[in-house]
Amino acid sequence: AQKVTQAQTEISVVEKEDVTLDCVYETRDTTYYLFWYKQPPSGELVFLIRRNSFDEQNEISGRYSWNFQKSTSSFNFTITASQVVDSAVYFCALHTGANSKLTFGKGITLSVRP
Amino acid sequence: DAGVIQSPRHEVTEMGQEVTLRCKPISGHNSLFWYRQTMMRGLELLIYFNNNVPIDDSGMPEDRFSAKMPNASFSTLKIQPSEPRDSAVYFCASSGRGQGSYYEQYFGPGTRLTVT
Repeated sequence: AQKVTQAQTEISVVEKEDVTLDCVYETRDTTYYLFWYKQPPSGELVFLIRRNSFDEQNEISGRYSWNFQKSTSSFNFTITASQVVDSAVYFCALHTGANSKLTFGKGITLSVRP
Repeated sequence: DAGVIQSPRHEVTEMGQEVTLRCKPISGHNSLFWYRQTMMRGLELLIYFNNNVPIDDSGMPEDRFSAKMPNASFSTLKIQPSEPRDSAVYFCASSGRGQGSYYEQYFGPGTRLTVT
């Protein structure tokens, strides 16, 4: 069975601070995909990134970066120089196996104060 | 390209009424998912389809809920009769292999359902 744990439930930071959102996953499959989604106050869920299990390179996209470490089964998300617009709920998700389902974590509510 | 389209965006209905939520997936995607999101239970997968066939409906809460996908470009989620505890945001999402896509799901804007 697969599982995604987002131990942090709520994080509050002041604008321009860096913040890291943790994600720990469990799976016995050797091939899998990890995802991050953002849900801003407007409500829609926005796909941010996909990472497959064979690619442990970190990824950077502007102020966003992702650190994938198979040794610790973690796929953490860092926002550098946070902005108020980063305020949202962030979900980590895992895909394994032949079906199409994603296993989502419970989400982390990030509040960035001006 | 158009994203996942859901209608209506908001629905207010009285207990006991039938509610039908609609979804048009992204063209070319072959998997479609219905989710429900509430404060108490978070994001729950209700049912998903591959190639218009229901694959896993274990998340459908009870027989009052039903979902259909008559063709690749349309799906419905029906609640009959509706109850106040069905109040939630219902999301439709789609995904598809190929063109560099690997299982990531693209979500619609959601339907906010209020049952009074």
